[in-house]
Parts: sequence; structure tokens; C-alpha cells
Amino acid sequence: DQQVKQNSPSLSVQEGRISILNCDYTNSMFDYFLWYKKYPAEGPTFLISISSIKDKNEDGRFTVFLNKSAKHLSLHIVPSQPGDSAVYFCAARAYSGAGSYQLTFGKGTKLSVIP
Amino acid sequence: ETGVTQSPTHLIKTRGQQVTLRCSSQSGHNTVSWYQQALGQGPQFIFQYYREEENGRGNFPPRFSGLQFPNYSSELNVNALELDDSALYLCASSLDRVGEKLFFGSGTQLSVL
Repeated sequence: DQQVKQNSPSLSVQEGRISILNCDYTNSMFDYFLWYKKYPAEGPTFLISISSIKDKNEDGRFTVFLNKSAKHLSLHIVPSQPGDSAVYFCAARAYSGAGSYQLTFGKGTKLSVIP
Repeated sequence: ETGVTQSPTHLIKTRGQQVTLRCSSQSGHNTVSWYQQALGQGPQFIFQYYREEENGRGNFPPRFSGLQFPNYSSELNVNALELDDSALYLCASSLDRVGEKLFFGSGTQLSVL
């Protein structure tokens, strides 16, 4: 049972245009959402996050939108650059007991930005 | 500031063997989490260590075990290896157990033949 779903395995976008990556979740107990970016042969790196009490968070070219009623979040990259080409993982945090939290990741979306 | 380092980078084992993977956490981080990433999947939570004790576990059998040392470095041990254990194993450290931002190492690619 996949609690975090990224339904698009891949996405191609022209340089300078907007990239929109989508993520859906099923667990209402998730209280924090994060996006990670992963280049080949490297570990995932944190990109941007949003608390469940907010509906938007912006950091430079990156904006994350959260629609709690639809259990949906999206990552917008404007303008897209060739260096943004990577696999993007959506992750959601839930309390797992004993004072700890764990992240549940989606399968990832491979973004290709075409020069 | 030293990032998260993992060793070895690649490893080949045969079914039934045991393996130990190592992780040095980022300076100042007291919490280490381990994730398994199978081909084509997202990282899946194995367990978390906080101040040398297991502090949260995902849906993995007991043959997956770990340790955290006083310097907050960590080991992941897997006994009785199975073919399905072939995956990228990622270590992540964080400032605390809240896990708002994890810093990942580059991973250990384990192949079980």
C-alpha cells in the first residue's frame, strides 16, 4: 500500500519554462512534507519543505503547494534550468512513536530540462 | 563541515551471508536513519538511532539490525542475506529525531548473488 504516490515517472520541460511535479498521499497523519532531489551516484539532497498547516512555501525558483483536502502537493520550478535535471522525491513525515518520526517517500519523478 | 559518509560504496555478497555497512554522520547530528532503496523505488525507512538506541523501525525483519556509537556513527547489519536485499542502502543524519531535514550519504550499493 503506497501512502505517497508520484504518478509521473518522468517529465521533460524546455529550459526557461515551468516544471510542475505532483505528489499524492493517503495518510492523514502526515504533518510535514518535503521534496528531495537526487543526482546519479549521489544521495538525495533536501530541496524544500512545507508544514501541513500551510498551503504554500517558496524558496527562490522553487515553490511547494499543499492542498490538504485533496491530499495533494506539487513542486513548481520557475524558470527551469538544465542543472535541475534529476530525480525528485516527494516525502511525508509521520510520528512513529517514542519521540521519533519517519519519512515515507514516493517512487520519484525524473525531470529532464532540455536546453 | 563534514557531510555524511558511507562505506563501502559497492559490495557483492552471496545469499545467506552477513554484511555490515558503515555510516559517519554529519558533525553535530545525533540521529541516524537508514533507508533501503530498491531499483525503481523510493527510499524505504529501515530504522532510526538516537543517542545509541533504536528509536523507530519500519517494516523490516529482525535480521536487519543496527548500532550507533558514542560519536554518533552507525552500522547497519543484515544477516542471512536474500536476493531481494539487493538495493542501495542510504544513511541519513539529522540534528534531532524530529526529522524535518535529513542529510543523506551517497549510499552503499549491495548486490546479493
